[in-house]
Amino acid sequence: QQQVKQSPQSLIVQKGGISIINCAYENTAFDYFPWYQQFPGKGPALLIAIRPDVSEKKEGRFTISFNKSAKQFSLHIMDSQPGDSATYFCAASKGGYQKVTFGTGTKLQVIP
Amino acid sequence: DTGVSQNPRHKITKRGQNVTFRCDPISEHNRLYWYRQTLGQGPEFLTYFQNEAQLEKSRLLSDRFSAERPKGSFSTLEIQRTEQGDSAMYLCAMTGTGNTGELFFGEGSRLTVL
Repeated sequence: QQQVKQSPQSLIVQKGGISIINCAYENTAFDYFPWYQQFPGKGPALLIAIRPDVSEKKEGRFTISFNKSAKQFSLHIMDSQPGDSATYFCAASKGGYQKVTFGTGTKLQVIP
Repeated sequence: DTGVSQNPRHKITKRGQNVTFRCDPISEHNRLYWYRQTLGQGPEFLTYFQNEAQLEKSRLLSDRFSAERPKGSFSTLEIQRTEQGDSAMYLCAMTGTGNTGELFFGEGSRLTVL
């Protein structure tokens, strides 16, 4: 059972453009929604996270938009750079400390 | 550096052999997780520990898999009688000292079963 659905599977964006990755979840008990970034040969690393009491969180060029009623959240990368080229995973968990359920990932390529 | 060290980084084995992976975190007192990641997929939860207690196991963790965390420090994941379908990256992760929910992943141990 896939509890976190992620799209698109891959994304190509011009340098300076906006990258948008979408996720939807099923379990309404989830209350912690992180995004992880993974480079080849490395483990995933936390990029930004949100809890459902806010609709948006911004950290530098990265923004999470959260729609609780639709059970959807998205990652926006503004002014995308070639160094942002990586695989991005949305995720969700109950209580933060519980097991984290990951989406299937989006491979982002930012071209000069 | 996340402070989570995994060994070996890559293991090639023949079908039917046993393999063991080790995870060494800096901190002994936080939760430790094992995930499996296959090519093109997100990490899938296998199991997690609070100190030496194994609190939850996924249905993915068949009886050929066993994980331990003796004394709440390092952890091992053993796969017995490996199958080609076990080929994957096995990731170890720790929670931090604050209650942020963030997982700190190691670089993983890649298993190739021939």
